[in-house]
Amino acid sequence: AQKVTQAQTEISVVEKEDVTLDCVYETRDTTYYLFWYKQPPSGELVFLIRRNSFDEQNEISGRYSWNFQKSTSSFNFTITASQVVDSAVYFCALSENDYKLSFGAGTTVTVRA
Amino acid sequence: DTGVSQNPRHKITKRGQNVTFRCDPISEHNRLYWYRQTLGQGPEFLTYFQNEAQLEKSRLLSDRFSAERPKGSFSTLEIQRTEQGDSAMYLCASTPGTGTYEQYFGPGTRLTVT
Repeated sequence: AQKVTQAQTEISVVEKEDVTLDCVYETRDTTYYLFWYKQPPSGELVFLIRRNSFDEQNEISGRYSWNFQKSTSSFNFTITASQVVDSAVYFCALSENDYKLSFGAGTTVTVRA
Repeated sequence: DTGVSQNPRHKITKRGQNVTFRCDPISEHNRLYWYRQTLGQGPEFLTYFQNEAQLEKSRLLSDRFSAERPKGSFSTLEIQRTEQGDSAMYLCASTPGTGTYEQYFGPGTRLTVT
């Protein structure tokens, strides 16, 4: 069964628009971690943010912000004032224990100038 | 601090041949992970090491696949008798140790089996 679902396959926006990426996860564990990674055209996965299951406080880091809601098992990610360099595939991932990551299928974001 | 490195970056091989990939983790990272990523999908876990010990292998890792980390530093992933279905990007990642740290990924090795 898919543990992480990213319903949006592709999103296309014009530069300076905000982009929100949806992520829904499934787990029976009470302790878990959620991540967002970015994979630009060069191919290397870049870590963006991490959240643990005990901290639902939403935060903003630069142009990135996230909305973690345990009640709906969602961990959405927003890029504010998008730029062309934000064009990439974004992956949501879940870690239910101390090691492996379970990734969603990814959302391709295209930011047009 | 250098990142995770992987070699080769690209490998084209004929079906039935054996291939070996290498991963050098970030220095002093004692956990090392291998993932496989096919086109249009997210990475899938294959196996991981704590120092030189291989602690878990995914069902995706058939008996044609073997991974080693002999001295707890670099790791190799070998695929024997390659099949076209093995064509994918093979990713390596490392973390400092226990505790769910973010994993730092290498650039990957893209394997094409013809």
